Amino acid sequence: QQQVKQSPQSLIVQKGGISIINCAYENTAFDYFPWYQQFPGKGPALLIAIRPDVSEKKEGRFTISFNKSAKQFSLHIMDSQPGDSATYFCAAKAHGGATNKLIFGTGTLLAVQP
Amino acid sequence: EAGVTQFPSHSVIEKGQTVTLRCDPISGHDNLYWYRRVMGKEIKFLLHFVKESKQDESGMPNNRFLAERTGGTYSTLKVQPAELEDSGVYFCASSQDRDRVIGDTEAFFGQGTRLTVV
Repeated sequence: QQQVKQSPQSLIVQKGGISIINCAYENTAFDYFPWYQQFPGKGPALLIAIRPDVSEKKEGRFTISFNKSAKQFSLHIMDSQPGDSATYFCAAKAHGGATNKLIFGTGTLLAVQP
Repeated sequence: EAGVTQFPSHSVIEKGQTVTLRCDPISGHDNLYWYRRVMGKEIKFLLHFVKESKQDESGMPNNRFLAERTGGTYSTLKVQPAELEDSGVYFCASSQDRDRVIGDTEAFFGQGTRLTVV
């Protein structure tokens, strides 16, 4: 059973457009929701993260929108650039417990066309 | 500062052979994690070390997988004997202890080892 569902699987956006990637979760114990960006041949790198006590977090052109009641969160990339072309993973983590393991979505391959 | 380093970058082995993957975490990071991504699917948690102790190994697929972290420094993940379904990209990540004030600390990932079993 996949605990974090991510869509779309792939996305093509024109330069300057808005890229939107969505994720949904079931486990209400999750309290930390990071997004990771992965370039070919590299490992995932933390892009931006949010906790459920806020509905939105913005860092530069990247914004996370969080809907606690719907158990959904999304990544918005404004003014998308060719350099943003990468695979994006949403993830979630539960508070407490002995482990800090991340539960990842299946990834979205973003291509920004010049 | 050096990041998380994984060796080898790629490995192609035949079914039934043994392969050992290595991870060098960021110096001073007590937490070390192994994850795996099978093509097109999610990155799945395998195992979590705190120093040299296994904190959570709930994600290990079966007893063909053995992870060790000698002296709480580098870690190895051995697959013996390898099967076709073990193919994928194996990621290692490390993080500092959870901060009491800010909570979770960032996990830094290595570049991964692409394992192909033929």
